[in-house]
Order: sequence, then C-alpha cells, then structure tokens
Amino acid sequence: DIQMTQSPSSLSASVGDRVTITCRASQSITTYLNWYQQRPGKAPKLLIYGASTLQSGVPSRFSGSGSGTDFTLTISSLLTEDFAAYYCQQTYSPPPTFGQGTKVEIK
Amino acid sequence: EVQLVESGGGLVQPGRPLRLSCTASGFSFGDYAMNWFRQAPGKGLEWVGIIRSKAYGGTTEYAASVKGRFIISRDDSKSIAYLQMNSLNTEDTAMYYCTRTYYGDYVPRAFDIWGQGTMVTVSS
Repeated sequence: DIQMTQSPSSLSASVGDRVTITCRASQSITTYLNWYQQRPGKAPKLLIYGASTLQSGVPSRFSGSGSGTDFTLTISSLLTEDFAAYYCQQTYSPPPTFGQGTKVEIK
Repeated sequence: EVQLVESGGGLVQPGRPLRLSCTASGFSFGDYAMNWFRQAPGKGLEWVGIIRSKAYGGTTEYAASVKGRFIISRDDSKSIAYLQMNSLNTEDTAMYYCTRTYYGDYVPRAFDIWGQGTMVTVSS
C-alpha cells in the first residue's frame, strides 16, 4: 500500500493566519491526491480533489498544489470554522490510503 | 438533498456478526459505486471496501484487514448499501462511514458524499 505522511501533525494558528499543510506519498501518485476536512464529531468533507481542484461549494481560501510525491494544502486566511483536522488521501493505487491527519488548533 | 444515512451500529460481542445499512437519497443510487470507511476512536481514516455499480458488474473489493470477514452488498431498488461484518474483534471498533464515489468508474478517485457515521463497539 502507498504510505502517506502529513506534516505537521498539529499546528496552532490564529484567525487570519495563512496555513500550509504538506503531504508526501511513498511513491509517485501523479495528481490523484485529495484533501478532506473533518470537524470534531462530524464526517469528513471533500475539499480538494485531483491535487488542486476545489470541490463545489468550498471557499476559495482553500487551495491545493503538487504532483508526484509532494503536495500542499493552503488556507489563505483562517476563519473560526477552519479549525479542524485535515487529511490527505491518495487514490492512485488501491487501496485508497490517508495521511495521519493534521489538527489545526486555535492559538 | 443528496444524503447518506448509516444505521445498525451498536455494541457487539467479539466473534458476533453485525450488519450496517446505508440509505441513500437525492441521487440515482444505482449509478454510483459505494464505499465504506472506518475511523477508530481518536485515530485516522481507513478504507474498508467498495461495491461498484451494476454497470461495472457490482464487483467488490476489500481492505486486507477485513477481507474474508466483511461483505458489502447493495439493493438498488431500495437505494441501500450494506456492510455485513462477521467474526468481529476489538480492533473493528470504530465509526463506520458510508460514502459515494465521486468519480472514477472502476478505481474510485474521490469520495464526495459521506454519511454521519454509525458507531460499532466490539467488547465483551
């Protein structure tokens, strides 16, 4: 299985901050990389697919980039509702696998 | 409204079976592959398995951790997907989510609709 590694595992930030989360795959996954947001007690929500395509309804402050093995999720200006856990997921090669998650907490 | 609702979770003893249901509404259920994921308390997300649409043979695939114990099925006439879980052990304790494959006819590429989840606790 392809291993996905996110960094950092957690971070503290303030409203208005720019936040970047990175995700590295154990082998090339081209652009088959998705990002999900999970608020406490809720189901994951698809934010970005294909490494950089914003899912319908997702605010434009979220963006994704990368290809091959290295990817980033950027939140340009944090809002209160963005404090959550974020997971990357590869779907290049079954089974789909996730990073361990990054928890974005309020500073 | 496009929606998935899971049911059937609860407390079950090790070795016993349990069947989860995922009821879909708001979309043409039979046109989509459906997946199950799980998340152990305080842990990350794990794919459990997929059942493809009838157009792709209704075939199934499973994670190695559940293969031979879990069975996914579907009833398109009722818009329901099922997860039959047999020989449960404590490591199967998790929130179980049903999801819709967003795109990828045979190999799922993203998952856009998630249910609220149903909790399964395996304990004596």
